Amino acid sequence: DTGVSQNPRHKITKRGQNVTFRCDPISEHNRLYWYRQTLGQGPEFLTYFQNEAQLEKSRLLSDRFSAERPKGSFSTLEIQRTEQGDSAMYLCASSPRGQLYNEQFFGPGTRLTVL
Amino acid sequence: AQTVTQSQPEMSVQEAETVTLSCTYDTSESDYYLFWYKQPPSRQMILVIRQEAYKQQNATENRFSVNFQKAAKSFSLKISDSQLGDAAMYFCAYTGGFKTIFGAGTRLFVKA
Repeated sequence: DTGVSQNPRHKITKRGQNVTFRCDPISEHNRLYWYRQTLGQGPEFLTYFQNEAQLEKSRLLSDRFSAERPKGSFSTLEIQRTEQGDSAMYLCASSPRGQLYNEQFFGPGTRLTVL
Repeated sequence: AQTVTQSQPEMSVQEAETVTLSCTYDTSESDYYLFWYKQPPSRQMILVIRQEAYKQQNATENRFSVNFQKAAKSFSLKISDSQLGDAAMYFCAYTGGFKTIFGAGTRLFVKA
């Protein structure tokens, strides 16, 4: 069990470009979460997957953001037409099947800088 | 909408002393969990302690304990015998349904 992994760890892009991040949860964890964290703030919920189904999506997630988890394993988060305000740490977390309120295991995050 | 408020942006404690971090939340739901997570500098967030809302007994994990006041919607974290390794950001979190809401965090400094 190697924990939750995220790639890339850092991404620098120019405004207007598209970016995609990948999250590999702990194997056999069927629940997967994406969060955004800006400096000095707590993680902000973006979306939740149970297996391949996206069951919850924050209203903060604009049309430029999309997430997928096609086979119920890894997940991708894509941001289209990036803006400077998208600069943040993007965190992924997973939790095991069973109780809905299980502990979430967090990855190291992907730090996005939009120039 | 659910909210989580941590009113202490920073706290400081002397090594071996006790410190309490505050958290209040607001919800109309009856079934939910509360968590304290720790985020050390440049490291991944890890769970410190968890409290089920339906349990009246306060959770404890070694040096960490909570004071859960459901009616007051208060969920404070007490760290006893503070150690240098406790220095980190601490986040209070509420989970109800599929969504988890985090507070803004409290940065804890531990003085040797």
